[in-house]
Amino acid sequence: QSMLTQPPSVSGAPGQRVTISCTGSSSNLGAGYDVHWYQQLPGTAPKLLIYGNNNRPAGVPDRFSGSKSGTSASLAITGLQAEDEADYSCQSYDSTLSGSVFGGGTKLTVL
Amino acid sequence: EVQLVHSGAEVKKPGESLKISCKVSGYSFTTYWIAWVRQMPGKGLEWMGIIYPSDSDTRYSPSFQGQVTISADKSISTAYLQWSSLKASDTAMYYCARLMRGSGWYALAFDYWGQGTLVTVTS
Repeated sequence: QSMLTQPPSVSGAPGQRVTISCTGSSSNLGAGYDVHWYQQLPGTAPKLLIYGNNNRPAGVPDRFSGSKSGTSASLAITGLQAEDEADYSCQSYDSTLSGSVFGGGTKLTVL
Repeated sequence: EVQLVHSGAEVKKPGESLKISCKVSGYSFTTYWIAWVRQMPGKGLEWMGIIYPSDSDTRYSPSFQGQVTISADKSISTAYLQWSSLKASDTAMYYCARLMRGSGWYALAFDYWGQGTLVTVTS
């Protein structure tokens, strides 16, 4: 059981907008720790997508955006493309564990 | 160009020892934390621990404390993850990743990842 909870799967048609939630608790997101998001294409290593709640590294399209409020965070993808089909994971710090934690990951299917 | 290059895939028997490596280039090895992350087959990412190569300050996840050892060799810009006695449940892909620069390692994201080392433990 991950300390950050994500839906196992989401789907959307090309061009649509999808959101992926990441729900934590008072010892991680609710304590004010930043959330980061990673994209993992099939058979590849994770790639940083969003850091510090809502910042995109260079090269990440602005179709990807992040937000955080209280004990929850969300990743939004607009203008869905076939190449966005991947696993997406959130990550933060947990003060109870005294370490980083990942969500269980969400598989995005582009219909 | 920042690169983290893993050692090759391993097939080991239960009870055997193993040390896998992650060689970095393209930045100053001693000024960024390096993390190890496990991904079991078909599962999510798990944070194992981190090391600051400059002084070998190391932190472990409670789930991995005592199960693995994280180390680094500054002279060759390489981080290591080792086991003294492997179990079948250690079968997984293991990634090293660099933490972004900033204050407080706990707040930082992993901005560069290695390609991973697949460890298979089978009798």
